[in-house]
Amino acid sequence: AQSVTQPDIHITVSEGASLELRCNYSYGATPYLFWYVQSPGQGLQLLLKYFSGDTLVQGIKGFEAEFKRSQSSFNLRKPSVHWSDAAEYFCAFNDYKLSFGAGTTVTVRA
Amino acid sequence: DGGITQSPKYLFRKEGQNVTLSCEQNLNHDAMYWYRQDPGQGLRLIYYSQIVNDFQKGDIAEGYSVSREKKESFPLTVTSAQKNPTAFYLCASSTKGLPWLAGNTDTQYFGPGTRLTVL
Repeated sequence: AQSVTQPDIHITVSEGASLELRCNYSYGATPYLFWYVQSPGQGLQLLLKYFSGDTLVQGIKGFEAEFKRSQSSFNLRKPSVHWSDAAEYFCAFNDYKLSFGAGTTVTVRA
Repeated sequence: DGGITQSPKYLFRKEGQNVTLSCEQNLNHDAMYWYRQDPGQGLRLIYYSQIVNDFQKGDIAEGYSVSREKKESFPLTVTSAQKNPTAFYLCASSTKGLPWLAGNTDTQYFGPGTRLTVL
């Protein structure tokens, strides 16, 4: 079955350090992939999406993600984390419906 | 400002009662969706609608009902048949009203959510 997996449940990172969140997908064709962010008690905000073309995608808030077909991955990165980046992050892909990973919670320490 | 609104933000219900969650969008989107979020489980699709007066069950529709009488509105009713209704409920919308096809490039935008607690 098609699916998306986020291997890390929780990541703690120091403010100013780099961040990488992992997302792996299982899909036979080219997937359409998304990253969303959710602050506590809030809805989901779209960070970026990949449909085709350049495999390095730029998003909002300084985030980027790289699609790697050979590794079935779509990892999210940010070079320097701010305290406001503390949130839960969801990877999702669109086949006949939008399917979400279980999410990765990011804690930022001062 | 264009966007999706959900009300109320917090909702408390006694066991055995039905309760309706509101979702409104002014994005002129054809499709609307309801998701349920539980800790550690990501989001699960309850119902979706791709056009007015039409809606389809998602993965966990039992104990829920919806209506789509207007393009901008997609209310969700949590009935007494829902065994474990305490959760965070998210509404979303997207542009396309076409039947879902493989490789759907439609992008969903989410509302702020309603937290339902059963007392």
